[in-house]
Amino acid sequence: DGGITQSPKYLFRKEGQNVTLSCEQNLNHDAMYWYRQDPGQGLRLIYYSQIVNDFQKGDIAEGYSVSREKKESFPLTVTSAQKNPTAFYLCASSILAGDTDTQYFGPGTRLTVL
Amino acid sequence: EDQVTQSPEALRLQEGESSSLNCSYTVSGLRGLFWYRQDPGKGPEFLFTLYSAGEEKEKERLKATLTKKESFLHITAPKPEDSATYLCAVRRVGGYQKVTFGTGTKLQVIP
Repeated sequence: DGGITQSPKYLFRKEGQNVTLSCEQNLNHDAMYWYRQDPGQGLRLIYYSQIVNDFQKGDIAEGYSVSREKKESFPLTVTSAQKNPTAFYLCASSILAGDTDTQYFGPGTRLTVL
Repeated sequence: EDQVTQSPEALRLQEGESSSLNCSYTVSGLRGLFWYRQDPGKGPEFLFTLYSAGEEKEKERLKATLTKKESFLHITAPKPEDSATYLCAVRRVGGYQKVTFGTGTKLQVIP
């Protein structure tokens, strides 16, 4: 089955630690995205990538870093510089060609800072 | 700046009681409007993409419509399994792949 996988489902981090969230897709999509979801707020874009080895900052990139070494993978690192990292993190992907630019989401990772 | 406002924030319906959810948007040139369904603790599930005013799309008990200023998600004879949060999002013409999301409408359908 084609889809987007995220791991782990739950992640606990101590203050001062960096943690990496995994996102893999087998949809052959060109673009991949990371969003953060907080209660009462819309999804906010952290980073996105349209092609391997290239990525751009979204609206709230401070304290986060990404890499795109393979088309299928777009890991997100939450660094110790992120002051309020507790949130639900969602990865998405889309194709870029034509009118079908709908973003499809993974199941999410819930990060809690202890 | 693009804006998406969804109303109501929460809606409680009896099973079989039809209703509509509203998504008002402000965007400088609409590229597409998206509806998603999100269950608690899960990622959003894609429902519809609408591209131009007057367009309508249907899926089972759901029907999405689009005007130049807003979109409606009509739910006909809902069932308890339709309970979820429904998210609306817009993408503007040009620029990159930025999509602006609303905060959602939490729907509860009571048996």
